[in-house]
Amino acid sequence: AQKITQTQPGMFVQEKEAVTLDCTYDTSDQSYGLFWYKQPSSGEMIFLIYQGSYDEQNATEGRYSLNFQKARKSANLVISASQLGDSAMYFCAMREPRNNAGNMLTFGGGTRLMVKP
Amino acid sequence: DSGVTQTPKHLITATGQRVTLRCSPRSGDLSVYWYQQSLDQGLQFLIQYYNGEERAKGNILERFSAQQFPDLHSELNLSSLELGDSALYFCASSASSGYRTDTQYFGPGTRLTVL
Repeated sequence: AQKITQTQPGMFVQEKEAVTLDCTYDTSDQSYGLFWYKQPSSGEMIFLIYQGSYDEQNATEGRYSLNFQKARKSANLVISASQLGDSAMYFCAMREPRNNAGNMLTFGGGTRLMVKP
Repeated sequence: DSGVTQTPKHLITATGQRVTLRCSPRSGDLSVYWYQQSLDQGLQFLIQYYNGEERAKGNILERFSAQQFPDLHSELNLSSLELGDSALYFCASSASSGYRTDTQYFGPGTRLTVL
């Protein structure tokens, strides 16, 4: 079963506008972590932001913020004031505890964001 | 720059061959992870090592093996290569073995092409 779902394969946003990338997840654990990574066309994976399941406040990191709705099991990434350099693939990932054995990430299929000038 | 280094950047080889991918983690990180990114399978976790010992295993084929050395660098060995093994192979590192806030930082990847 798909554990991380990113329903938007591709999105356009106008430069300087805000954009929300959707991510829903499935877990029966109470303790888990959610991550967002950016993959530009050059291929590297860049860590953007982290949200813990027990964190009371939504995570923020510069222009990135996470709209975390635990009851809905969603962790949407919000990018404010989009820039041309934000054009990339964005991946949502989840870490579930495995009896504290290991730290694997499960990734969604990604969303390709294209920023229009 | 994440601080994780991977070599080589690109690798082109033939079916049936064996290759070794190398990864050096960020300074101070004890865990190393290997992921495979392909068009049909997406990003998949292969294996994790923590301080020299295997910690978690994912969908890693029996033809693939990995190890982490005393200096904490890691190697991923791929043998009897098939066309379907063509992919981008990422190494990531993190400070600990499994603490829930532990963030994985990825290297630039090795693009493997099997002809």
